[in-house]
Amino acid sequence: QVQLVESGGGVVQPGRSLRLSCAASGFTFSTYGMHWVRQAPGKGLAWVAVISYDGTHKHYADSVKGRFTISRDNSKNTLYLQMNSLRAEDTAVYYCAKDHYYESSGYYAIDYWGQGTLVTVPS
Amino acid sequence: QSVLTQPPSASGTPGQRVTISCSGSSSFFGSNYIYWYKEIPGTAPKLLIYRNDQRPSGVPDRFSGSKSGTSASLAISGLRSEDEADYYCAAWDDSLSGRYVFGTGTKVTVL
Repeated sequence: QVQLVESGGGVVQPGRSLRLSCAASGFTFSTYGMHWVRQAPGKGLAWVAVISYDGTHKHYADSVKGRFTISRDNSKNTLYLQMNSLRAEDTAVYYCAKDHYYESSGYYAIDYWGQGTLVTVPS
Repeated sequence: QSVLTQPPSASGTPGQRVTISCSGSSSFFGSNYIYWYKEIPGTAPKLLIYRNDQRPSGVPDRFSGSKSGTSASLAISGLRSEDEADYYCAAWDDSLSGRYVFGTGTKVTVL
């Protein structure tokens, strides 16, 4: 069964950096795109970024473009999110999620989610 | 600002049918598949419907999805207490630079 386990969350001061990781198992990681999605306290789901199965295509939400970088290591079955210049409004639970489409690099959707890791940036 | 709009809340008594709408622009809906997710606060979201009307294995047939024109709908029939949750529609928007868009979310309450 698909398992996605996020780590790396915590409390970080505004302007600092943090890197999230997501360990994947139960599927062939190197053949599926991967997403990060976040949910601020009391708010709805907000998509953050996606990376294609081979890492060659990346897309970002406008709110994080230029500050966050999504990457993957297919040899380690691990997804990453490097978050720089963090702001109070980045406070959220961050979910790692698996893409629905096999070897897609142009069309994406989410089918499985991790349990999330909390990132807190005090104001 | 989401391009997919959902009613903030919906409710019903056990056994009733509840429908949640997801609306947007014709340009967006015309070429994109709609996905639906269920989220119980404090737990990971779960896929309910993919490609407008397809159910993953393990999802009860009480859940059904449809899409027509500039809106999509999720119907829950035979409402049960465990259906009380937040529900989100979503779709890939390949205009501009590409993004995955979530709806505004609907809180379903079982009375």
